[in-house]
Amino acid sequence: AQRVTQPEKLLSVFKGAPVELKCNYSYSGSPELFWYVQYSRQRLQLLLRHISRESIKGFTADLNKGETSFHLKKPFAQEEDSAMYYCALSGGYGGATNKLIFGTGTLLAVQP
Amino acid sequence: GAGVSQSPSNKVTEKGKDVELRCDPISGHTALYWYRQRLGQGLEFLIYFQGNSAPDKSGLPSDRFSAERTGESVSTLTIQRTQQEDSAVYLCASSIAGGYSTDTQYFGPGTRLTVL
Repeated sequence: AQRVTQPEKLLSVFKGAPVELKCNYSYSGSPELFWYVQYSRQRLQLLLRHISRESIKGFTADLNKGETSFHLKKPFAQEEDSAMYYCALSGGYGGATNKLIFGTGTLLAVQP
Repeated sequence: GAGVSQSPSNKVTEKGKDVELRCDPISGHTALYWYRQRLGQGLEFLIYFQGNSAPDKSGLPSDRFSAERTGESVSTLTIQRTQQEDSAVYLCASSIAGGYSTDTQYFGPGTRLTVL
């Protein structure tokens, strides 16, 4: 079954502390993995995707196919990082529809 | 330019009534998606339109749900005989589609549906 698991509903850290938002997936094939973010009163938007291998707002995520994980990391959290983060996957190129399968989300709260 | 827009932003209805939700995608985006987010849950895929191809309806939860799209523009999601479990935020997204990897989906602000 295709599934994305985000085990933490809430992650609270202090400003300047490292952050790791966990994401594990189940998919037969080679999926594409994404992190989407929703800031307060804003719409859901793409943060980063694994094929880009880039750092966005200091966040990085490495796809680990052996552990079927795609954890989101940032070495030093900022208060403006407080938001809801969703991990998602799709079937990638050649996949039926590119529909996204989302996890349940993790609320990141960065305390001053 | 303008992003994806949805209307209404909020809809309160009584159990058993029909509702229509509207989505205006970004101009030029050929792919359009509908998702549903119930309280405390992740987004669930409902339906996908791509150009003139037959839509992927595999995520529609029951035959009370249907959606249409006019060409490559506006889409409406219709829920007939609403039930309380239909209460959710309904999100629409669009993408250019046709690339060599999954195209970025741009989301609208959502319609919050409450069924009393």
